[in-house]
Amino acid sequence: GQNIDQPTEMTATEGAIVQINCTYQTSGFNGLFWYQQHAGEAPTFLSYNVLDGLEEKGRFSSFLSRSKGYSYLLLKELQMKDSASYLCAVRDNQSYQKVTFGIGTKLQVIP
Amino acid sequence: DTAVSQTPKYLVTQMGNDKSIKCEQNLGHDTMYWYKQDSKKFLKIMFSYNNKELIINETVPNRFSPKSPDKAHLNLHINSLELGDSAVYFCASSQTSGGTYNEQFFGPGTRLTVL
Repeated sequence: GQNIDQPTEMTATEGAIVQINCTYQTSGFNGLFWYQQHAGEAPTFLSYNVLDGLEEKGRFSSFLSRSKGYSYLLLKELQMKDSASYLCAVRDNQSYQKVTFGIGTKLQVIP
Repeated sequence: DTAVSQTPKYLVTQMGNDKSIKCEQNLGHDTMYWYKQDSKKFLKIMFSYNNKELIINETVPNRFSPKSPDKAHLNLHINSLELGDSAVYFCASSQTSGGTYNEQFFGPGTRLTVL
């Protein structure tokens, strides 16, 4: 099975940089996703890492270390609209369709 | 618009009733899912269908029965509703092969309240 840990809440200031960490223990690993979920809305895809290293996409970057079972999502130049929950999710290598989600980190961006 | 759609968006019902939620995707994906997100916001997979075949069936009471009439549709029927079934139910779809990330696209959710 999969066990995913991430902080439940974080607060950061508009314009700043914030790093949201995710650690996982897994019986089989085939990639890690980050999703964003605004309150009352559906999760939307942000990033995917399957190899070690950093993937950059505009203001958002995601990092993966498979040997450490660790990932982080980095958000730069924070905007008020970035206030949302950020879900770390791990894909199983036994069942490609099975993705296990963490509890999510609720990020509040303050002025 | 290309998307994953669900109906209804809100569902309020009494304990013991039977209800259904419908999901459709027009993204041409081969896999569809049902997730339950409880009051603590934990998103947990319930079922997954690949080309109309059930491939993931997590520990879910058998009061929940999914049905996939074709690749583009996945419905969820719930019998004898209980208070603990109150949650937001998300449908999602993905393409298993040929894509870059094969990420999941989620519907807007159905907020089920059992009284």
